[in-house]
Amino acid sequence: QVQLQESGPGLVKPSETLSLTCTVSGGSMTNYFWTWIRQPPGKGLEWIGHITYSGYTDYNPSLQSRVTISQDTSKNHFSLTLTSVTAADTALYYCAGSTVFGVVIYFDPWGQGTLVTVTS
Amino acid sequence: SSELTQDPAVSVALGQTVRITCQGDSLRSFYASWYQQKPGQAPRLVIYDQNNRPSGIPDRFSGSRSGNTASLTITGAQAEDEADYYCNCRDRRGNLGVLFGGGTKLTVL
Repeated sequence: QVQLQESGPGLVKPSETLSLTCTVSGGSMTNYFWTWIRQPPGKGLEWIGHITYSGYTDYNPSLQSRVTISQDTSKNHFSLTLTSVTAADTALYYCAGSTVFGVVIYFDPWGQGTLVTVTS
Repeated sequence: SSELTQDPAVSVALGQTVRITCQGDSLRSFYASWYQQKPGQAPRLVIYDQNNRPSGIPDRFSGSRSGNTASLTITGAQAEDEADYYCNCRDRRGNLGVLFGGGTKLTVL
């Protein structure tokens, strides 16, 4: 079965760029939309955006000006870049595979999450 | 509204039935999915496509919808069901935006 693993720095300075990578193992990247979701400490889930196998991206409107999701299918990974971070971007960042068709969207599998703290 | 609204907290006696609800206009057009999250763990899909269970999810979990409200029902709640539950669906405003509810903390008494 498909497994996901996030990696990247745990600390980022304010105004700098957050970069994370999610490595996909145990399956093909063709079967899902590849998604980033975050969860501030003690709060709920927030969808950041996703990329399809063909490279189409869609982003949360509230983050769209700062977010880029990209992929390298030859290396079986996809990435998140978030620019101009502030303390409000401190969160657990999850990567997930999403299934989308018609009136349905759902997220499975999920990575274990990686905590990113924005601090000077 | 483009939001999904959940009650912040719900409790249920052990072995009883509990319904966790999720309200939003997008639910009139799109199906909800539900996730269980225990402390220190990633969310886990428990219901998708409104009322389908992934492999390994007990059949005491079920989903339904009425109008703009989706529900997750646990019939015969167990101690291990104590967790946060989140709903999600597509955003009716178009493209492929996604909404999450704010989450419901379920306590099993």
